[in-house]
Amino acid sequence: NAGVTQTPKFRVLKTGQSMTLLCAQDMNHEYMYWYRQDPGMGLRLIHYSVGEGTTAKGEVPDGYNVSRLKKQNFLLGLESAAPSQTSVYFCASSYSRGQFNSPLHFGNGTRLTVT
Amino acid sequence: GQSLEQPSEVTAVEGAIVQINCTYQTSGFYGLSWYQQHDGGAPTFLSYNALDGLEETGRFSSFLSRSDSYGYLLLQELQMKDSASYFCAVRTGRRALTFGSGTRLQVQP
Repeated sequence: NAGVTQTPKFRVLKTGQSMTLLCAQDMNHEYMYWYRQDPGMGLRLIHYSVGEGTTAKGEVPDGYNVSRLKKQNFLLGLESAAPSQTSVYFCASSYSRGQFNSPLHFGNGTRLTVT
Repeated sequence: GQSLEQPSEVTAVEGAIVQINCTYQTSGFYGLSWYQQHDGGAPTFLSYNALDGLEETGRFSSFLSRSDSYGYLLLQELQMKDSASYFCAVRTGRRALTFGSGTRLQVQP
């Protein structure tokens, strides 16, 4: 099993450009999440999904959109990138909502730089 | 909202025991989790406590006191490979996990 796969691994954008980060999981998990990690700030939840076709806002959703058209995929979009969105983005999945015998499984991250 | 406090950095020597504390303030509580992250890597799950007490998994143990809104991760027989960042995280109802800012553990020979 590949687990959680994120693409791309690295990306450099200019301010105002758009891009989509892809996340795929092969564990048949219901729940998927996007977090961003900045130095000294831990992991902050951007958006999450509790099932195919559903999405919800997390702690820091502004400037991002998401879609969950298929159970195995969760896409994170940046419509107009800003330098403040320079970060490492982690996708994660779990069988149920984050815990109750169900740990989060993380991808290896996407390192995004916005210049 | 939720907030979690943990020390930013801890240093210990190989073979020693180290404790990483986590205090939390939440509007609801369904359990405290711990994750490990090596530099450049992804967070990986270590442990979960829903009830008061100590949970042991090999060299790692995790403790929870719900009445004190406090937990800790205990690492025994430290090895160089334990050098990493450790995050506590809470789940409070419908939303996903909320993570602390992490504790960087440096294990010295």
